[in-house]
Amino acid sequence: DVKVTQSSRYLVKRTGEKVFLECVQDMDHENMFWYRQDPGLGLRLIYFSYDVKMKEKGDIPEGYSVSREKKERFSLILESASTNQTSMYLCASSRPVAGVYNEQFFGPGTRLTVL
Amino acid sequence: DAKTTQPNSMESNEEEPVHLPCNHSTISGTDYIHWYRQLPSQGPEYVIHGLTSNVNNRMASLAIAEDRKSSTLILHRATLRDAAVYYCILRLFQGAQKLVFGQGTRLTINP
Repeated sequence: DVKVTQSSRYLVKRTGEKVFLECVQDMDHENMFWYRQDPGLGLRLIYFSYDVKMKEKGDIPEGYSVSREKKERFSLILESASTNQTSMYLCASSRPVAGVYNEQFFGPGTRLTVL
Repeated sequence: DAKTTQPNSMESNEEEPVHLPCNHSTISGTDYIHWYRQLPSQGPEYVIHGLTSNVNNRMASLAIAEDRKSSTLILHRATLRDAAVYYCILRLFQGAQKLVFGQGTRLTINP
């Protein structure tokens, strides 16, 4: 069974803290993504990576950074957490096979609360 | 990214068919139509995708209008486990990898 796992389901942090959200996939996928999901705004892409050490900004990268040192792991970093980063964070992965549709597989999400 | 329009919510009864509509009047010739769904407390999951022809898989069917300006996701026999938010998404097949999610349709299934 293919799997994308996220380090925590629930996380509570304080304003100004550095926060690491970890995502691991066991499907040997090249592409990995971080989204956030907020009521009324749907899912929005923060960053994605198409290879180890490669990253691309998504639609809302401000206040976030990412790290991809190994193929199976993609980390989202909040350098100094703020209350407006309270959200559900979703990780996804996919394989970019040319000529074939590559569905994205999502993890269960991490609900982050910043106090 | 081309936009899609879906009803905010729909309701149906268990074991009846469900037709979830999606309008995408600005679709381009290279946009594929994708459907994902998000069950409560879970991440989204892929349902089906298509370009021009109707498509069937074990989860659902996708009916695409001849002019491609609209499509309908069909659940042939809804169960309580099909209660979810359903997202209709357009994406270039070999273009940017990202998915642009709209608000989706919240489907309620009555027992």
